[in-house]
Amino acid sequence: EAGVAQSPRYKIIEKRQSVAFWCNPISGHATLYWYQQILGQGPKLLIQFQNNGVVDDSQLPKDRFSAERLKGVDSTLKIQPAKLEDSAVYLCASSLVTGGRETQYFGPGTRLLVL
Amino acid sequence: DQQVKQNSPSLSVQEGRISILNCDYTNSMFDYFLWYKKYPAEGPTFLISISSIKDKNEDGRFTVFLNKSAKHLSLHIVPSQPGDSAVYFCQKVVRFGAGTRLTVKP
Repeated sequence: EAGVAQSPRYKIIEKRQSVAFWCNPISGHATLYWYQQILGQGPKLLIQFQNNGVVDDSQLPKDRFSAERLKGVDSTLKIQPAKLEDSAVYLCASSLVTGGRETQYFGPGTRLLVL
Repeated sequence: DQQVKQNSPSLSVQEGRISILNCDYTNSMFDYFLWYKKYPAEGPTFLISISSIKDKNEDGRFTVFLNKSAKHLSLHIVPSQPGDSAVYFCQKVVRFGAGTRLTVKP
């Protein structure tokens, strides 16, 4: 079974530029998450999708971040314009519910450096 | 609101010894906790979970203990191996702790 795919793996941009990340979840996983992980911290949820609907985007900085999940499968996360403090690893995860319990499967992440 | 806390950023143990990683939580509305392991340049991978109907869950060398009265859970690794060196996160729903970096020395 293929895992969660993310691209690109690394991205370096200058502040005020735009950037987009792509995620392909595990086939059949209805729920998709985007997390931001700043160095030395745990992953912080940005947005959660259930199929192509948003479940939770309360911590998404909507003035600069946007995300969509086309047709309930792939997802893109965009930052426009980027700030220095956006430098982080952006993790995508999809989840499977078994016996009423949910386990998330993570992609390798996209490491973003904003200069 | 920091619902999940890992107060030890790092832990170093000798190979063969026990590693104990700790996690405290608030807001006991949710009753399912998970531990993830993360190697550099990789995403976190699921390790073990526990439901509040249990006090203990064991999977090979890994055991998670849940103390509901103290709102505390711990992950025990026995015996520790060099390949266990990684960052460990505890998770409650979508809230992660800050992680503990475990180093197992040969």
